[in-house]
Amino acid sequence: GAVVSQHPSWVICKSGTSVKIECRSLDFQATTMFWYRQFPKQSLMLMATSNEGSKATYEQGVEKDKFLINHASLTLSTLTVTSAHPEDSSFYICSARDSERWGYGYTFGSGTRLTVV
Amino acid sequence: DQQVKQNSPSLSVQEGRISILNCDYTNSMFDYFLWYKKYPAEGPTFLISISSIKDKNEDGRFTVFLNKSAKHLSLHIVPSQPGDSAVYFCAASEDTGTASKLTFGTGTRLQVTL
Repeated sequence: GAVVSQHPSWVICKSGTSVKIECRSLDFQATTMFWYRQFPKQSLMLMATSNEGSKATYEQGVEKDKFLINHASLTLSTLTVTSAHPEDSSFYICSARDSERWGYGYTFGSGTRLTVV
Repeated sequence: DQQVKQNSPSLSVQEGRISILNCDYTNSMFDYFLWYKKYPAEGPTFLISISSIKDKNEDGRFTVFLNKSAKHLSLHIVPSQPGDSAVYFCAASEDTGTASKLTFGTGTRLQVTL
């Protein structure tokens, strides 16, 4: 089935630094990818929709200058958390859908645990 | 505004019995529904989906039922196995386009006991 690879799986960074998370579709092309955030014991909240070759669409309340999204190719989207603060510590997950295999639903990456100290 | 709700945060079921996980939604524009299974510190894994034109979809031990008039869907797992213990999320989207967004429910933690 469709595979989405996310890297790194965990990262610890100091307050004020930036962290980049990569999301790759390994066996299909994805013109659209999605970035979610999950706080402990809560639901997955959609942060933004990443569109290949154009600007990302951010959900209400998500700071686009803080969470930079780049979708430069049909297989790669990146999320950069800029000037990270402890409140940005969370579990970030990307997803994509193979348009030719809709019956399998959206495929998610394995997630990235970000801890800002 | 939580458009997709799972009112039971947890459920405990004995091995071999049926697990029934429920999900309610408020947005009448939702047209496609999915169930995901999730372990801690991992991404969700797709289980089963259903289109609004159907009221039932079955895949092995998993069956999803949709009652569109009640805006309610449920996931039945039978027989339940210890390996089914995880958090289950229902999700919904307004269409099946590649850019359609998923809205997730709050999750139900299923514990299958021996």
